[in-house]
Order: sequence, then structure tokens, then C-alpha cells
Amino acid sequence: NAGVTQTPKFQVLKTGQSMTLQCAQDMNHEYMSWYRQDPGMGLRLIHYSVGAGITDQGEVPNGYNVSRSTTEDFPLRLLSAAPSQTSVYFCASSSDRYKVSSYEQYFGPGTRLTVT
Amino acid sequence: GQQVMQIPQYQHVQEGEDFTTYCNSSTTLSNIQWYKQRPGGHPVFLIQLVKSGEVKKQKRLTFQFGEAKKNSSLHITATQTTDVGTYFCAYSGAGSYQLTFGKGTKLSVIP
Repeated sequence: NAGVTQTPKFQVLKTGQSMTLQCAQDMNHEYMSWYRQDPGMGLRLIHYSVGAGITDQGEVPNGYNVSRSTTEDFPLRLLSAAPSQTSVYFCASSSDRYKVSSYEQYFGPGTRLTVT
Repeated sequence: GQQVMQIPQYQHVQEGEDFTTYCNSSTTLSNIQWYKQRPGGHPVFLIQLVKSGEVKKQKRLTFQFGEAKKNSSLHITATQTTDVGTYFCAYSGAGSYQLTFGKGTKLSVIP
């Protein structure tokens, strides 16, 4: 198993550009989520999904879109990049959609995004 | 809403000293998880605590969940340089699909 994979590992964008961060998992996990990590802020939830076709907003969803057309993939779209979106983005998955705090979250290696 | 404070934010210790980080909640938690993130890496699950007063050990790491399930701690005995990283607690509210992370405690170990 590859676990949770994310691409790209690094990305530089100009303000106003759009892009998609890819996330895939091969563990047949129902629950997937996106976090951003900024210095001193911990990990903040952007969006999450409890299964294919179902997504919902987390703590900091503005400026981001997600979709979940398959169990395996959960891409994160930046609609119009802003310098405030400079961050490290982590995708995570978990085996149970109903008890998210009862099951281990598996994290991808992260995408380091800089917006100039 | 649920508020969880993780303290301290930073801790510098001499190798061989002990280290403790705390997560304190204003409300009762159903359970709590702990993660470790090495510098430049991603968070890795360490353990989950569910029961009131629960204590779990992993080698030099001891995890505790308070009797009232409002606080939790991670204690490392005789730190080593391999313990360097940021330690996070994580929790979710009853019936919530969202896992919330504390802001983390960054541990530095001086050889």
C-alpha cells in the first residue's frame, strides 16, 4: 500500500492563479480531509468528506473547493490564489466516517505552497 | 464551542531530561488522540485515549486522560534527540465529523 499520496510536493503560484492539489489513498477509507498548517496555528481543517459524493466545510473553507467523485481521490482546488494561502497542505484519511476521533488519521507527505 | 488549549507552545530540554505537554479542554471530551510530527514531516498517529483516568505507555512515552476527561498529557521520560518534533493532541465533539487539532508543542532536545 502506498497509503496517502499527495502531488505536487512543492508549488509556487502567482496571486490570482488557480490550481488543484491532488490527494489519493489506496486503503479504501471512507473519510478524507484537507488541513493547512501555518506556523503557530497547528493544523486547521479546510474541507472533509465522509464518502464519495459527500463533502462539507471545515474551519477555514474560504477560497477552496473540493469534490469526491471516487473513494480514492479527494482533490483540493484553489480558485484564485492569494498570499494568505501560502501554507503547507496535508491530506488525511481514516477508515470510519462516523467516529472520526476514534480512528487513526493517516496523513500524506504534504504540499508546500507559496503564493507570491 | 469546544476550546482546547495545548501547553506549552515550545519546550527546550537537555537530552536525558523529561518532557510533558498538556491538552486542557473547557468541556468533556469523548476521546483524544496524540500525533507526532518530525521537522519537515507529516503528523503520525501515536495513540488514542478513551476512558476516564486512562493511562497508556509506549516505551518512554506515557499518555494520560484525566478523570473528568477534560485534560490529557503526554510525558516523555529521558528525552532523546529522536524525540524532536511537534506533538499535537486532537479531538472531536460528540457527533461531529471534524477532527480538531491543538496548536502543538514543539520539542527541541539539546544533545
